[in-house]
Amino acid sequence: KNQVEQSPQSLIILEGKNCTLQCNYTVSPFSNLRWYKQDTGRGPVSLTIMTFSENTKSNGRYTATLDADTKQSSLHITASQLSDSASYICVVARSYNTDKLIFGTGTRLQVFP
Amino acid sequence: ETGVTQSPTHLIKTRGQQVTLRCSSQSGHNTVSWYQQALGQGPQFIFQYYREEENGRGNFPPRFSGLQFPNYSSELNVNALELDDSALYLCASSRENGETQYFGPGTRLLVL
Repeated sequence: KNQVEQSPQSLIILEGKNCTLQCNYTVSPFSNLRWYKQDTGRGPVSLTIMTFSENTKSNGRYTATLDADTKQSSLHITASQLSDSASYICVVARSYNTDKLIFGTGTRLQVFP
Repeated sequence: ETGVTQSPTHLIKTRGQQVTLRCSSQSGHNTVSWYQQALGQGPQFIFQYYREEENGRGNFPPRFSGLQFPNYSSELNVNALELDDSALYLCASSRENGETQYFGPGTRLLVL
């Protein structure tokens, strides 16, 4: 079964600290892996997209890694800010077509001052 | 802001009613996808429209239907509403099928 599992389910950290979110997937075939940030009540916003051949990609304070062999990805947030409080969703694409996207249930991150 | 707009922002309906949700894609985008996101869950793919044609459908019954117009805006129609249809409905547009999707703010539907 094609699945995307994320951990932890929720996370609380203090402002300025770093954190790492995990994503494991059992999706096949594999085209690319995407991380989205979703603020409460808003639509998801794309952070990174990585294909099979890419093992790291950065977007400001966000750095995503991908190990296609072990089917694992992580999203590392450096020097967290209050505005980082959101859900972070890992999405795996089975093909280049959008209708083959498999979404994880997300990690709910709360950053406290 | 992504440039993708949705209306209405919130909606309350009763079981058995019909609803139409609207999405205006970002300028220059020809692909629109619709998702249903239940509380605490990730978005579930409903269907996609590419250049006014349905281009893929998720595991949703036929009472979920859609339309894309020549200006690439789109509608999602749901007939015979059920309580479980209560969710955030997201649309996402992309410049071409398979490219980065830009999500709208969503329409929150409550079915009583």
